Amino acid sequence: DADVTQTPRNRITKTGKRIMLECSQTKGHDRMYWYRQDPGLGLRLIYYSFDVKDINKGEISDGYSVSRQAQAKFSLSLESAIPNQTALYFCATSDLRGGYYGYTFGSGTRLTVV
Amino acid sequence: AQKITQTQPGMFVQEKEAVTLDCTYDTSDPSYGLFWYKQPSSGEMIFLIYQGSYDQQNATEGRYSLNFQKARKSANLVISASQLGDSAMYFCAMREGRGSNYQLIWGAGTKLIIKP
Repeated sequence: DADVTQTPRNRITKTGKRIMLECSQTKGHDRMYWYRQDPGLGLRLIYYSFDVKDINKGEISDGYSVSRQAQAKFSLSLESAIPNQTALYFCATSDLRGGYYGYTFGSGTRLTVV
Repeated sequence: AQKITQTQPGMFVQEKEAVTLDCTYDTSDPSYGLFWYKQPSSGEMIFLIYQGSYDQQNATEGRYSLNFQKARKSANLVISASQLGDSAMYFCAMREGRGSNYQLIWGAGTKLIIKP
């Protein structure tokens, strides 16, 4: 099983629908992140969480919400999807231990809003 | 101002040649880290290599090495003996600070295409 699992892998939804993207991890990391990637662009941070009670907005949080249900689970919701939220969404985890500071990514969710 | 700059939107390289992907960064923090990730067409993000600001030697991981020039604030990725499977997007990222609120800052990426 993957260390960071995202579901669904692909999703097509209609404008105005509510949709939830889910992320679970087996790394035991405290920190979890949601990123968005648009074609030809880098990653932009939507939300991040340092622990279950600590949720923070990233640079593009408008139109999104998150829930950290447990240390291992972090879900992203689009309350009313719009076409310009069509993108590749990544969940990532990190941990300060070991001095590495890097991120472990899920496989991504391709979301299309029509 | 851009904190991570990747000046090469795209590159074509002949198979078996060495490749250098450019990355420059901007920070005033003495403690930072630099990362390279690979994103193949399937979409996943794959960690390649890491360089800490206090590391004395350039990082190496198999065919990947990081040419770290601190005074120039550059952290170029070098791929030796390129292979067709190296065709992908490559992202440079920087972690600033050592404290609990660090974030990774990402470049826009370079699309590398290896020609047979």
